[in-house]
Amino acid sequence: AQTVTQSQPEMSVQEAETVTLSCTYDTSESDYYLFWYKQPPSRQMILVIRQEAYKQQNATENRFSVNFQKAAKSFSLKISDSQLGDAAMYFCAYRSEGWGAGTKLIIKP
Amino acid sequence: DTGVSQDPRHKITKRGQNVTFRCDPISEHNRLYWYRQTLGQGPEFLTYFQNEAQLEKSRLLSDRFSAERPKGSFSTLEIQRTEQGDSAMYLCASSIRTGGNTIYFGEGSWLTVV
Repeated sequence: AQTVTQSQPEMSVQEAETVTLSCTYDTSESDYYLFWYKQPPSRQMILVIRQEAYKQQNATENRFSVNFQKAAKSFSLKISDSQLGDAAMYFCAYRSEGWGAGTKLIIKP
Repeated sequence: DTGVSQDPRHKITKRGQNVTFRCDPISEHNRLYWYRQTLGQGPEFLTYFQNEAQLEKSRLLSDRFSAERPKGSFSTLEIQRTEQGDSAMYLCASSIRTGGNTIYFGEGSWLTVV
């Protein structure tokens, strides 16, 4: 499976501020999908946002956006106007089989 | 439309016993995935099915693990001769076989081997 690295085990941000979670991956393929998933405490994993590798435009979903740098194999997630409900583990995924170890996001009220 | 459901949600078993987990995917989804997740870690891919065919199986999956999806609908994951290292959450997920393959997860089945 492709290697996916999330170098930030934990991040904290003040409510209403912006935070960026990092992810790098390794692949030799040119066409693929990348995902960010959110796993709240004791709750199921849900999709936050996805990016198609052949699209140069960065994906956005309301307060969530990505910075996709294909050459650098980097795929960061930016959360704007952080809310208390954003507190969760965030996982970066390459297709269905490569997953990072996760970043725990803490929102300070 | 119901989501992915898993049963049982929690299972405590003695070392050496066999356990079986069931997953019912979203009805129109023809891909089904099994993952293992331990505390503080990301999901670890185990295997996936396209309809009833098991198309990929992780090298990490020992011979004690077997998964089936006999009619392309629900799936079972069996662990034989459980070991303490098998203690984890077993996640099932499903998707439609289209580009992007957004995966929808169940709530997971917690296994504790004592």
